[in-house]
Amino acid sequence: GEDVEQSLFLSVREGDSSVINCTYTDSSSTYLYWYKQEPGAGLQLLTYIFSNMDMKQDQRLTVLLNKKDKHLSLRIADTQTGDSAIYFCAESRPGNQFYFGTGTSLTVIP
Amino acid sequence: DSGVTQTPKHLITATGQRVTLRCSPRSGDLSVYWYQQSLDQGLQFLIQYYNGEERAKGNILERFSAQQFPDLHSELNLSSLELGDSALYFCASSVEGASSYEQYFGPGTRLTVT
Repeated sequence: GEDVEQSLFLSVREGDSSVINCTYTDSSSTYLYWYKQEPGAGLQLLTYIFSNMDMKQDQRLTVLLNKKDKHLSLRIADTQTGDSAIYFCAESRPGNQFYFGTGTSLTVIP
Repeated sequence: DSGVTQTPKHLITATGQRVTLRCSPRSGDLSVYWYQQSLDQGLQFLIQYYNGEERAKGNILERFSAQQFPDLHSELNLSSLELGDSALYFCASSVEGASSYEQYFGPGTRLTVT
């Protein structure tokens, strides 16, 4: 909602890298987040980045932020079948307003 | 297990009725957030409470209300229910009230309005 957009589906082979993209429109975003949702479960925070950073790495996860283009990406290295899930990007704006993307369903093919 | 609990897990009710969803945050977390997840609207932020006070409001309908009690558990009240209110309702909690960069989500309550 509120103009946080993601592509709906992504399919990769096990062992390859996955890149999930997100675009947002509000330049006042303070933090940007990536969440993972497995079937029947709540959302799990994977990582976040402060809006004045451009990259963050956390084990297999790399977040890139292009603030000028309002583009956020999540790269998962060596993707495993357990990474199959829906991935949501989200942003927080001043006033503690949170907006989530539509989610990208990642399918990992063995 | 995130440490956030929600009850009930499933709820089926009729249009026009009122229901109450309950959330217990992680031990030590002062903030509680409510979200609605539906197929057509995606995940929508409804409201946030911090230490008993309303902190932020999102796309929450007037028919919906929430509160956070002194023991920090929270309830989301949904009234005059409509078919379109059928959704998954999540609560999340965090320690920080202002720059809540780490929210822990509960398993959700699935509401079906018939």
